[in-house]
Amino acid sequence: AQRVTQPEKLLSVFKGAPVELKCNYSYSGSPELFWYVQYSRQRLQLLLRHISRESIKGFTADLNKGETSFHLKKPFAQEEDSAMYYCALTTSGTYKYIFGTGTRLKVLA
Amino acid sequence: DVKVTQSSRYLVKRTGEKVFLECVQDMDHENMFWYRQDPGLGLRLIYFSYDVKMKEKGDIPEGYSVSREKKERFSLILESASTNQTSMYLCASNGRVGSPLHFGNGTRLTVT
Repeated sequence: AQRVTQPEKLLSVFKGAPVELKCNYSYSGSPELFWYVQYSRQRLQLLLRHISRESIKGFTADLNKGETSFHLKKPFAQEEDSAMYYCALTTSGTYKYIFGTGTRLKVLA
Repeated sequence: DVKVTQSSRYLVKRTGEKVFLECVQDMDHENMFWYRQDPGLGLRLIYFSYDVKMKEKGDIPEGYSVSREKKERFSLILESASTNQTSMYLCASNGRVGSPLHFGNGTRLTVT
């Protein structure tokens, strides 16, 4: 069965420090992977998707098929990055999206 | 910009009541979804719909039903609310398989 694992419930870093939010998935085919973010009192919104290969708000994520990972990285964390982050997976031919349990990022001043 | 609107931000209902959660999207999207969001459990799919009057069960459909009579509207129904259905409910839509989901603001339901 497809699964998305985010091992950290909470990640606290200081402002200016590098950030890495981990995401591992289980799927034998070619997945489509996404990172969603939910800021306080806002709706869940797309941050980035792996096929775009773009950087959004300084965040990047690379799909590593060998390690079945899609970690989210930012070299210098900002206080406004504090939010809940979800990794999600879908596969071709299916309507379903599988979400991880989420990681709360706290950026400390 | 896609707008997904959930009719209520907060709802408080009593055990045994029938509850309707409404969701409307304005981008002519084919697919609509209902998730519940619980701390430590992430988002879990309740039901989804890929066309008017078409629906499929997600991972946790027990105790829920849905209705999609019009393309833009997708309703989640709790036939007889129970306290373990206290949660945040998120509606989402997308235009085609594999494209990103667009979420509503959520409805926080409390069943007492």
